[in-house]
Amino acid sequence: GAGVSQSPSNKVTEKGKDVELRCDPISGHTALYWYRQRLGQGLEFLIYFQGNSAPDKSGLPSDRFSAERTGESVSTLTIQRTQQEDSAVYLCASSFARRPGYTFGSGTRLTVV
Amino acid sequence: AQSVTQPDIHITVSEGASLELRCNYSYGATPYLFWYVQSPGQGLQLLLKYFSGDTLVQGIKGFEAEFKRSQSSFNLRKPSVHWSDAAEYFCAGSEGANNLFFGTGTRLTVIP
Repeated sequence: GAGVSQSPSNKVTEKGKDVELRCDPISGHTALYWYRQRLGQGLEFLIYFQGNSAPDKSGLPSDRFSAERTGESVSTLTIQRTQQEDSAVYLCASSFARRPGYTFGSGTRLTVV
Repeated sequence: AQSVTQPDIHITVSEGASLELRCNYSYGATPYLFWYVQSPGQGLQLLLKYFSGDTLVQGIKGFEAEFKRSQSSFNLRKPSVHWSDAAEYFCAGSEGANNLFFGTGTRLTVIP
């Protein structure tokens, strides 16, 4: 597509429920990133996918967080047993690997009540 | 360790005044450097990027940034600020195709 698409744009969930966030990167972009932005704060790296290489999961805050990506297509970020501190905007970005020009999606605003 | 630092949390300027937002980086090699802007309730928009070559980079909306290796800086500048420039500005860096590290952001307020 023309840009990075994220869905849903907003998600309200009850504490303890699982949620799944989706990112559809720009076609041809081999690199895909997930970031978290809590209210009034900067961006916190979560996970990075590059082609078929093993993902860099060093930013995932706990084992309740996981992400998958098949090849160079859609990625899903799953948060299990959500907690109130998971409330944030989750941003996805994609880029070409050799000359990064990261394009961000508009994010998913997650609210855990 | 790779990092990007934005020392100013909040800056206030008058409309029409010049602007400089500071960014310092800590990387082993010459990094790729970026400036993004985030308006309230919006996603991040890329203003400009530096990969190599000319150290003065022109971006969108009249912004420019200068890469200074001796100072490990990549400051964002604009000669005349408009009220619509009020937003959060993020500096970011990476080494090649690796993870992008963000600074904590600088909030810009523009007063009439």
